[in-house]
Amino acid sequence: NAGVMQNPRHLVRRRGQEARLRCSPMKGHSHVYWYRQLPEEGLKFMVYLQKENIIDESGMPKERFSAEFPKEGPSILRIQQVVRGDSAAYFCASSPPGQVGETQYFGPGTRLLVL
Amino acid sequence: QQQVKQSPQSLIVQKGGISIINCAYENTAFDYFPWYQQFPGKGPALLIAIRPDVSEKKEGRFTISFNKSAKQFSLHIMDSQPGDSATYFCAVVPGGYQKVTFGTGTKLQVIP
Repeated sequence: NAGVMQNPRHLVRRRGQEARLRCSPMKGHSHVYWYRQLPEEGLKFMVYLQKENIIDESGMPKERFSAEFPKEGPSILRIQQVVRGDSAAYFCASSPPGQVGETQYFGPGTRLLVL
Repeated sequence: QQQVKQSPQSLIVQKGGISIINCAYENTAFDYFPWYQQFPGKGPALLIAIRPDVSEKKEGRFTISFNKSAKQFSLHIMDSQPGDSATYFCAVVPGGYQKVTFGTGTKLQVIP
């Protein structure tokens, strides 16, 4: 059973470009969470999604950031018009039904660098 | 508002020694208290977790001590090994689904 997969692992963008990060949860997991980690800091919650639904986006910046988890395919975190302050590691986590919010399994992360 | 405070920020321990990391939380609504271990370039991995109805949980060399009245919990790593060198995050989770709130992390270095 493969773990949580994220791609790309590293992403370089110039200011103003779009960044698209993908997350495939573990098999059988229907809950996906996105976190952002700045250098030397802890992880900050961004958004919690279930299939085709955003459950909690209280940690998402109001502008330029969006997330989706379609019925088919991976979850996508999209950052439009990136700025240098968006440079960070973005982690996706998933959990199975019935264990929501507790045991979350993390992917390896996508390290975004904005030039 | 910072809901969980973690200390120390960094820790150096001799091989074979005991590593102790502390966390304090503010909200009594939390229902689950996990610790995560993160190696450089990797995602966090669940190490051990406790619920507030017990005061201690031990798994191998790792022990969580929980003090509900003081709203504090700590991770003890016995017989620390160089392979334990990583960043450790405490976290709190409210009842029901909700988002995990992480501490700021402790960078542990175990020296031979």
